Amino acid sequence: SQQGEEDPQALSIQEGENATMNCSYKTSINNLQWYRQNSGRGLVHLILIRSNEREKHSGRLRVTLDTSKKSSSLLITASRAADTASYFCATVVKAAGNKLTFGGGTRVLVKP
Amino acid sequence: GAGVSQTPSNKVTEKGKYVELRCDPISGHTALYWYRQSLGQGPEFLIYFQGTGAADDSGLPNDRFFAVRPEGSVSTLKIQRTERGDSAVYLCASSLKRGEPQHFGDGTRLSIL
Repeated sequence: SQQGEEDPQALSIQEGENATMNCSYKTSINNLQWYRQNSGRGLVHLILIRSNEREKHSGRLRVTLDTSKKSSSLLITASRAADTASYFCATVVKAAGNKLTFGGGTRVLVKP
Repeated sequence: GAGVSQTPSNKVTEKGKYVELRCDPISGHTALYWYRQSLGQGPEFLIYFQGTGAADDSGLPNDRFFAVRPEGSVSTLKIQRTERGDSAVYLCASSLKRGEPQHFGDGTRLSIL
C-alpha cells in the first residue's frame, strides 16, 4: 500500500501559470521528498523537507509541510512546457527503515 | 556518465523464464535501492542494500525475487519463473548514505509474454 496520495491525479495548465499539487500521508514521517519523472525516464529528486520544517524553496519550486494535517504541497511557479512530467511525493519513515514510500503521482501537462 | 546505469533498458521474455537486471550505482554511493513501477503508479520499494548486505528486503513480493550486491557496487535483481504479473519497469536508485535523496536510473522495462 502507498503511504502518500497525490491530488489531483492530473493537471493541465498554460505556460506561465502556477501549478499546485498536494500530497497526504498516513503515519508520522522523518522527511518528505518530491521527485519528477519524465516519460520513460527515471525519477529526479527535486526537494527534501524535514518533519521540523514548514516551508522550503528551490528556484521556482515551493514546498510546504503541515505535519498536523499530514499533508504537503508542491507549487511550481511560472510553469514552462519543460515542466511537463509526473510529480511524486515520497515519505521517509524512520521506523520503516528510511526507505522511500511513493504516492501515485500527479501528471502535469504544461501547454505552450 | 556519472549517473545510475541500468541494463538492459528493455527486456522481453516468455513466462517461466529467468531474468537478471543489472544496476551500476553512482561511484561511492553506499546505499542502493530497487523499486518496481507499474503503469500510471508510483514506484514500489523492493529491496535496499547498505554496502554488500541486504538491509531491508521487505518489499520483495515472493521468493522468486532475489537480489545481490557482492562487492558493494553493482547489483543484480534476479527473477525466477517469471509470470505475466511481473511485467513492469524496474528502477534502481543509489544514495550517498541511507536517508539521503536518491538518484535513479532510467529503469529496465520488463515484459513477460
